[in-house]
Amino acid sequence: GESVGLHLPTLSVQEGDNSIINCAYSNSASDYFIWYKQESGKGPQFIIDIRSNMDKRQGQRVTVLLNKTVKHLSLQIAATQPGDSAVYFCAENIGAGNMLTFGGGTRLMVKP
Amino acid sequence: GAGVSQSPSNKVTEKGKDVELRCDPISGHTALYWYRQSLGQGLEFLIYFQGNSAPDKSGLPSDRFSAERTGGSVSTLTIQRTQQEDSAVYLCASSLARLNEQFFGPGTRLTVL
Repeated sequence: GESVGLHLPTLSVQEGDNSIINCAYSNSASDYFIWYKQESGKGPQFIIDIRSNMDKRQGQRVTVLLNKTVKHLSLQIAATQPGDSAVYFCAENIGAGNMLTFGGGTRLMVKP
Repeated sequence: GAGVSQSPSNKVTEKGKDVELRCDPISGHTALYWYRQSLGQGLEFLIYFQGNSAPDKSGLPSDRFSAERTGGSVSTLTIQRTQQEDSAVYLCASSLARLNEQFFGPGTRLTVL
């Protein structure tokens, strides 16, 4: 799968800096959220997930923050590396439904 | 270990023809999803299979789209009478269970001329 195309919002960071990618969701009934990374020519790769009974979850170099009050999700990447360059998607699931609804994606570019 | 595989990787077809896209999920994964990714848009859910339960077809855009999953493993997505707007990358994902981490295949790029 190729990264979504031409008009993605882009975040450009210096190698070694921290990155913050934001996502807003609209449905207050959403109870499960995932961040995916998609490199050019590849399918999306799971990064981290969080359920609505949490407001923070940490992985290796990544942290997801969930603010249900303002329906906002963020992905923080510590010490960003060139290999982190990709398109990042947030996705949400609502209640008992099976469908994941994906955001439009943010392109992260890491400058060496 | 083997991940999710999809075939073909690229498919070019003429408008009006039928196409079949194949997905081989990770062995033991009971949940299988199909998504579509169009240029300039995010991923769009199409259909979901869970074990032997009836599939969730709520994301299929028209009755030209159908999918089946045989023996709880391999899945085929069929698009009949293809239209130019069907051109996209079709992605398959599988997971151990619903809402567990989804593992995606590399996708099939479909181009309808």
